[in-house]
Amino acid sequence: DAKTTQPNSMESNEEEPVHLPCNHSTISGTDYIHWYRQLPSQGPEYVIHGLTSNVNNRMASLAIAEDRKSSTLILHRATLRDAAVYYCILNTGTASKLTFGTGTRLQVTL
Amino acid sequence: DTAVSQTPKYLVTQMGNDKSIKCEQNLGHDTMYWYKQDSKKFLKIMFSYNNKELIINETVPNRFSPKSPDKAHLNLHINSLELGDSAVYFCASSSRQGNNSPLHFGNGTRLTVT
Repeated sequence: DAKTTQPNSMESNEEEPVHLPCNHSTISGTDYIHWYRQLPSQGPEYVIHGLTSNVNNRMASLAIAEDRKSSTLILHRATLRDAAVYYCILNTGTASKLTFGTGTRLQVTL
Repeated sequence: DTAVSQTPKYLVTQMGNDKSIKCEQNLGHDTMYWYKQDSKKFLKIMFSYNNKELIINETVPNRFSPKSPDKAHLNLHINSLELGDSAVYFCASSSRQGNNSPLHFGNGTRLTVT
């Protein structure tokens, strides 16, 4: 399985933008980049996904490098409710098989 | 309305017992999954079903047997429970199989084997 590399933890102030990086240098042409987050005592929550172009939705934006070897999840205005572990995952193959790594623990402070 | 619901939320049982966890999704999705999150918080896929057909079986012990009576349900039965089975089990669904389809997860079942 293609792997991703994320920082273990990041901090942000509330109402400021947050850029969560992810490296995936071994990505193949058909791999989709998925982002999920997990709040304490809850199941993972889908955030966003993309293939080549940048993507926006109501939760976040996903910026994908031109060579697709890295991507950045952008939370435009962090709130305390965004404190969670964020997982960057390459979804490969014809079956949707997510391989979760250790993710980035995001702390949001007042 | 809960999209993916699991029961029970907590399950405490003794070694050697047999237990089941139920999962239902009301999203009209074709594909369902079971994931296991261990004490170190690693999430790993166990099984995936598409239209009631098993498509992923990640070398899970035979004591674990998933059953999908219909597209909306995927239950997990565990025989002869062991201490190492203690974990949080998450059910998930996606509209179809394939790597372009987001997963929707339930809130988990915390299984404790004593």
